[in-house]
Amino acid sequence: RKEVEQDPGPFNVPEGATVAFNCTYSNSASQSFFWYRQDCRKEPKLLMSVYSSGNEDGRFTAQLNRASQYISLLIRDSKLSDSATYLCVVNILTGGGNKLTFGTGTQLKVEL
Amino acid sequence: GAGVSQSPSNKVTEKGKDVELRCDPISGHTALYWYRQRLGQGLEFLIYFQGNSAPDKSGLPSDRFSAERTGESVSTLTIQRTQQEDSAVYLCASSLLNRESTGELFFGEGSRLTVL
Repeated sequence: RKEVEQDPGPFNVPEGATVAFNCTYSNSASQSFFWYRQDCRKEPKLLMSVYSSGNEDGRFTAQLNRASQYISLLIRDSKLSDSATYLCVVNILTGGGNKLTFGTGTQLKVEL
Repeated sequence: GAGVSQSPSNKVTEKGKDVELRCDPISGHTALYWYRQRLGQGLEFLIYFQGNSAPDKSGLPSDRFSAERTGESVSTLTIQRTQQEDSAVYLCASSLLNRESTGELFFGEGSRLTVL
């Protein structure tokens, strides 16, 4: 089983739609969680951290379910500019420090 | 500049040649990662350096791959006897990540390797 798993998509949605992505992780010792965004042929960039109580940043809402070991990202009122690959990232504390593990990403295409 | 710097940005080499990729992390960042990303694929973890701890090399795909880091500064990823399947973008990232805090991972723009 992969440490971090995501549905690769693509998710094709019309502009203005609400779309949600899930990500599951296998290591219950995982400490912290993030969503990164990667545009085509660009490097990944942090979108938002995921807090235990859930958190919101504008049109984006992230949630964590430790019992079921998954995190989610909800995008409301999607824009054309939201088209990208969304990477789920899990941080695990190891003997050598923290280790960030990336999922393979979920591709989102927002269409007119 | 203030960001993570990688060189070369593009490298075309012949099968069997050795290549060396360089990463200059953000000054003061204790953690440094190398990832590989093949076209249309996700990020594949290669190696992780954290301060003076022994590096986590669990992601290196074969003994043709090696990486070094000098203190908390420059890192080099070396691929010996390159094969066509090594063609990918090699991404370096650094962070202030440590036992006491988690932090944002900053990526370089990557080194695109093409093995003919």
